[in-house]
Amino acid sequence: QKEVEQNSGPLSVPEGAIASLNCTYSDRGSQSFFWYRQYSGKSPELIMFIYSNGDKEDGRFTAQLNKASQYVSLLIRDSQPSDSATYLCAVNGRQAGTALIFGKGTTLSVSS
Amino acid sequence: EAQVTQNPRYLITVTGKKLTVTCSQNMNHEYMSWYRQDPGLGLRQIYYSMNVEVTDKGDVPEGYKVSRKEKRNFPLILESPSPNQTSLYFCASSQFSNTEAFFGQGTRLTVV
Repeated sequence: QKEVEQNSGPLSVPEGAIASLNCTYSDRGSQSFFWYRQYSGKSPELIMFIYSNGDKEDGRFTAQLNKASQYVSLLIRDSQPSDSATYLCAVNGRQAGTALIFGKGTTLSVSS
Repeated sequence: EAQVTQNPRYLITVTGKKLTVTCSQNMNHEYMSWYRQDPGLGLRQIYYSMNVEVTDKGDVPEGYKVSRKEKRNFPLILESPSPNQTSLYFCASSQFSNTEAFFGQGTRLTVV
């Protein structure tokens, strides 16, 4: 059974701090990695995707991938109260038709 | 505007009364899928479609049907809804199975 594991949280950080969200996956053949943000009762929206080992930066967000350790993380710099949401890690395999497997999400709370 | 549109957004129905949730995308995507989201269980895939007339079961297909007669539409059918199908449902589309998924607004279904 392919799995994606996330700490459910809540992760609480003060405004302006760095929030670090982590995700591990079980399928060593996974090729595509995504971070989605979901506000309560709303649909998931893509924040970042990463395919290669290393770091990928987009504004205040940095995704980090380590395929050898089967680990992907999301860093949010200068956290804002509007970043308070549930963050979903999603992983996809290399085979055609392989579904995105979602973790259960980490709830982030940024206090002002 | 690129989007995935689901209808209805909210639905309350009675056990056994057939219903259909519609999903339409305007991005010419090949891959479409349905997820349900339940507290503590995360997003679980119900069915997916890699192209017109090609559909397959996801992780939790029991009690659901789908069809893909046109590329843009992927309706979810509950022939005889039961209370355990009360959930938040999302339709998603992507160019391919391993690329970014775009989600619809969600349908909150209650079966009494």
